[in-house]
Amino acid sequence: AQSVTQLGSHVSVSEGALVLLRCNYSSSVPPYLFWYVQYPNQGLQLLLKYTSAATLVKGINGFEAEFKKSETSFHLTKPSAHMSDAAEYFCAVTRSGGYNKLIFGAGTRLAVHP
Amino acid sequence: DARVTQTPRHKVTEMGQEVTMRCQPILGHNTVFWYRQTMMQGLELLAYFRNRAPLDDSGMPKDRFSAEMPDATLATLKIQPSEPRDSAVYFCASGLVEGGSYNEQFFGPGTRLTVL
Repeated sequence: AQSVTQLGSHVSVSEGALVLLRCNYSSSVPPYLFWYVQYPNQGLQLLLKYTSAATLVKGINGFEAEFKKSETSFHLTKPSAHMSDAAEYFCAVTRSGGYNKLIFGAGTRLAVHP
Repeated sequence: DARVTQTPRHKVTEMGQEVTMRCQPILGHNTVFWYRQTMMQGLELLAYFRNRAPLDDSGMPKDRFSAEMPDATLATLKIQPSEPRDSAVYFCASGLVEGGSYNEQFFGPGTRLTVL
């Protein structure tokens, strides 16, 4: 079975500050891991994905995440927050091998203050 | 540019009424997913189709929900009869599975359902 835990349902940062959103996963098979972003009244958009290539993954809008097998983590970071980053962020896991069924975390709402 | 479309975007109905939500996946995609999003439960997978065949609908209440793909360009999710607890945003997503590789799921804008 697979699961995802996102630590912190709400994170608040100042504009220009580091963004760190935490995600830990549980998987009995090699996982694929993803971060999605959801802006108000919109669907989910893929930020980045880990599919067993490089462990440091760069995504859109300056975000990146590092897969750490020893810590079963896939935390999302951005060096400098922008007001437009305010949104809800979801970590998700699936099995490798083309199955494609995503298991989502509960989400973290990011607020960015001036 | 290619995107998943969903209709209607908003639906308000009364308890007991039938609700049908429609999704047009991206042309060429062979997998379609239905998700439900609520404040309490977050994002839940309801059903998953590949090449129009249902692969997994274990997340869907079978007594009132049904999901179909009449053809490759249309997926439907039906609730009959609807109940207030069905109020949620329903997302459709599509993707392409080729061999053993994973490809991104593209999400539609969602249908916001309110059952009074």
